[in-house]
Amino acid sequence: DQQVKQNSPSLSVQEGRISILNCDYTNSMFDYFLWYKKYPAEGPTFLISISSIKDKNEDGRFTVFLNKSAKHLSLHIVPSQPGDSAVYFCAASASGNQFYFGTGTSLTVIP
Amino acid sequence: DVKVTQSSRYLVKRTGEKVFLECVQDMDHENMFWYRQDPGLGLRLIYFSYDVKMKEKGDIPEGYSVSREKKERFSLILESASTNQTSMYLCASTAARETQYFGPGTRLLVL
Repeated sequence: DQQVKQNSPSLSVQEGRISILNCDYTNSMFDYFLWYKKYPAEGPTFLISISSIKDKNEDGRFTVFLNKSAKHLSLHIVPSQPGDSAVYFCAASASGNQFYFGTGTSLTVIP
Repeated sequence: DVKVTQSSRYLVKRTGEKVFLECVQDMDHENMFWYRQDPGLGLRLIYFSYDVKMKEKGDIPEGYSVSREKKERFSLILESASTNQTSMYLCASTAARETQYFGPGTRLLVL
């Protein structure tokens, strides 16, 4: 059973606008969440993380929001750029070392 | 910078062949992981290892085995390759409770 879900397989956004990628999880023991970005034929690269003691973390154009009561996190990219076009995975872990990944959302930023 | 390398970027093998995928990390990380990525299924954990000579099954270990004789090296073995093992294989490493760093991936085609 998928513990981390990304229900939108794809998303298209105009350059300069906001991209919002969503992720839901089912395990209330998860306390650390990450977003990865993946280009074709490359490994995922770490983008941004958040621990469960926070509800927001920012890094430049990227902000992750965590809503623990809803078991939901989102990644906001503002402004979106064509180079942001990639597959984005969210991942979560409990107090351990194993990470659970979502199925990914393919973002296309249209110039 | 963390570096995770994988022995091959592309491999073509025949059904029934034994396949070795090697992963090496240079950051003295305790934990290493093998995933496979398939369209619509995200990253699925095959095996992971917390220490030398230790291994734990992930979500889809069937048809695979692993070896960790040295801390920096984690090998994935397909004892008898089958066509349903055609996939992108990703290795990752991490220090305890920290971000996972991925290698570039090996795209395996089993004919």
